[in-house]
Amino acid sequence: EAQVTQNPRYLITVTGKKLTVTCSQNMNHEYMSWYRQDPGLGLRQIYYSMNVEVTDKGDVPEGYKVSRKEKRNFPLILESPSPNQTSLYFCASAHAGGLETQYFGPGTRLLVL
Amino acid sequence: GQQVMQIPQYQHVQEGEDFTTYCNSSTTLSNIQWYKQRPGGHPVFLIQLVKSGEVKKQKRLTFQFGEAKKNSSLHITATQTTDVGTYFCAGPGTSYDKVIFGPGTSLSVIP
Repeated sequence: EAQVTQNPRYLITVTGKKLTVTCSQNMNHEYMSWYRQDPGLGLRQIYYSMNVEVTDKGDVPEGYKVSRKEKRNFPLILESPSPNQTSLYFCASAHAGGLETQYFGPGTRLLVL
Repeated sequence: GQQVMQIPQYQHVQEGEDFTTYCNSSTTLSNIQWYKQRPGGHPVFLIQLVKSGEVKKQKRLTFQFGEAKKNSSLHITATQTTDVGTYFCAGPGTSYDKVIFGPGTSLSVIP
């Protein structure tokens, strides 16, 4: 089954404790992206990647890191989480020629205390 | 910077009534997409519009792209409880690879 998976689905952590949210897709998509969703603000793009070893900042990259060592994986790293990073995070993927049709993962709900 | 707005933010309708959400961009868009997110779920792609003035239909859903390619609308005829969710429009950001989403319109349908 074609899908985007994220882990963990729920995470409670404390300020400053490094964490990684994994994202994996099995559709051989070139494009992968991370979004955060906050009430009233919709989905805001954090980082995206057009292919292996190619990453770019979205609109809200501060406090986040990503890497794209393999085509299928695109982990999101919070080196020193802060409470304002409490949010719902979605990973998405798409074919390079069809960025408009993104497939989203189930989401990761993060609470930073 | 580039902004994509949607109105209304919330809409409550009686089952069977029609519903419309509007999307407005501060810049001309080469294309626009619509996504639906059910409560507790993830966004799911509905459709893409590319041409100026384009109108596409999916059963009870009608999507329209404005002539100036700066606005779009989604109209649902005779809403059903299965239509409940948040509808987002999205378009290319300041660079082709970026994507910018509107804040969404949350639809509630009262049976």
